[in-house]
Amino acid sequence: DIQMTQSPSSLSASVGDRVIITCQASQDITNYLNWYQQKPGKAPKLLIYDASNLETGVPSRFSGSGSGTDFTFTISSLQPEDIATYYCQQYDNPSITFGQGTRLEIK
Amino acid sequence: EMQLLESGGGLVQPGGSLRLSCAASGFTFSNYAMTWVRQAPGKGLEWVSSISGGGGTTHYADSVKGRFTISRDNSKNTLCLQMNSLRAEDTAVYYCVKEYSSALAIRWFDPWGQGILVTVSS
Repeated sequence: DIQMTQSPSSLSASVGDRVIITCQASQDITNYLNWYQQKPGKAPKLLIYDASNLETGVPSRFSGSGSGTDFTFTISSLQPEDIATYYCQQYDNPSITFGQGTRLEIK
Repeated sequence: EMQLLESGGGLVQPGGSLRLSCAASGFTFSNYAMTWVRQAPGKGLEWVSSISGGGGTTHYADSVKGRFTISRDNSKNTLCLQMNSLRAEDTAVYYCVKEYSSALAIRWFDPWGQGILVTVSS
C-alpha cells in the first residue's frame, strides 16, 4: 500500500500568515491527491481535488500543487475560521490512504 | 442538497456484530460509488470499504477484510456496512461518503455524513 507522510503534524500561525502543509507519497501517484479540512466535532470537507483543483465554493486563499510524490497545500492568508485539522488523501486504486493530519492553530 | 445520514451505531461487545446504514438523498444514488471512512477517537482518518454504483465491485482495507461486508440497495438509496467479529480497535466514528463517480476510478469524497459512533467494549 502507498504510505502518505504529511507534515508538520501541528502548526501554529498568526492571522494573515501564509501556511504550507506538505504530503509525500511513498510512490508515484501522478496527481491523485485530495485535501480535506476537518473542524472540531465535524465531518471532513473536501477543499482540493486532483492536487490543484479548488472545490466549488471553497475560498481562493486555499490552493494545492504538486505531482508524482510531492504535494503542497497552501493557505495564502490565514483566517480565524481556518482553524482545523487538514488531511491529504491519495487514491492509487483500489487502495486509499490518508495522511496523518496537520492540526492548525492560531498563534 | 445532497445529504447522507448514518444510523445503527452503538456499544457492542468484542466479537459481536453491528450493521450500519446510510440513507442518501439529494442525488441519483445509483450513479455514484459510496465509501465508509472511520476515525478512532482522537486519531486520523482511515478508509474502510468502497462499493461501485451498481454494487458489482467492492474493496476493503486489510484491517477489516473478511470481517466487514459493504452493500447497497439502490431502490432504497441505502448503503450498509455489516460488521462482524468486532474488535476494540474498530471503535471509531464511521462516516458514509459519496464518491465523485460510479466506477471507483476518480476518487474524492463529497459530501460526508455526520458520522456514527461505534464502541467495541466489554
